[in-house]
Amino acid sequence: QKEVEQNSGPLSVPEGAIASLNCTYSDRGSQSFFWYRQYSGKSPELIMSIYSNGDKEDGRFTAQLNKASQYVSLLIRDSQPSDSATYLCAVNVLGNQGGKLIFGQGTELSVKP
Amino acid sequence: DAGVTQSPTHLIKTRGQQVTLRCSPISGHKSVSWYQQVLGQGPQFIFQYYEKEERGRGNFPDRFSARQFPNYSSELNVNALLLGDSALYLCASSFRTENEQYFGPGTRLTVT
Repeated sequence: QKEVEQNSGPLSVPEGAIASLNCTYSDRGSQSFFWYRQYSGKSPELIMSIYSNGDKEDGRFTAQLNKASQYVSLLIRDSQPSDSATYLCAVNVLGNQGGKLIFGQGTELSVKP
Repeated sequence: DAGVTQSPTHLIKTRGQQVTLRCSPISGHKSVSWYQQVLGQGPQFIFQYYEKEERGRGNFPDRFSARQFPNYSSELNVNALLLGDSALYLCASSFRTENEQYFGPGTRLTVT
């Protein structure tokens, strides 16, 4: 079982719709969860972080965390063509002295005008 | 505010050569992490440094090494390059090891 799993997509939604991206993780001790957006040929850009169960909203983005189900999701409301990118779910796995981000393989999102 | 910077942006090497990649973190950040990203996959963790000490190492061979300097900048070295080392190498900085990590633009390494 992979440590962090995402549907690779592509996920296609019409402009103005809600895009829903999902992620599951295997390490029950994980405490920090992140969503990154990566445009083709560019580096990942942090868009959301979430640390506790429930929802966290930032503009058109909402992150949802359920530690009991080991599930993280990202909702993008009023999707725009500029949201078309690969979305990476990352989990911070803490070791004895530090932490490392474990990434899923990413979900490609396409927003059609 | 300046973000994470990396140099060079692109690099072409031949098999067996050695390469050094450089990274400067966001001002005030004390932790630097290195990741390798191949096409179609998420980044893979290579190293994490905090206050010049190695705090984590991923599942990469000993050909990969890194260090962090007193000004918190970092270098990643790869010896005896293989074709499979061709990838985007990403540096990320954070205030401490458990905080949000911010990525630089990456160094695209091509091994021929």
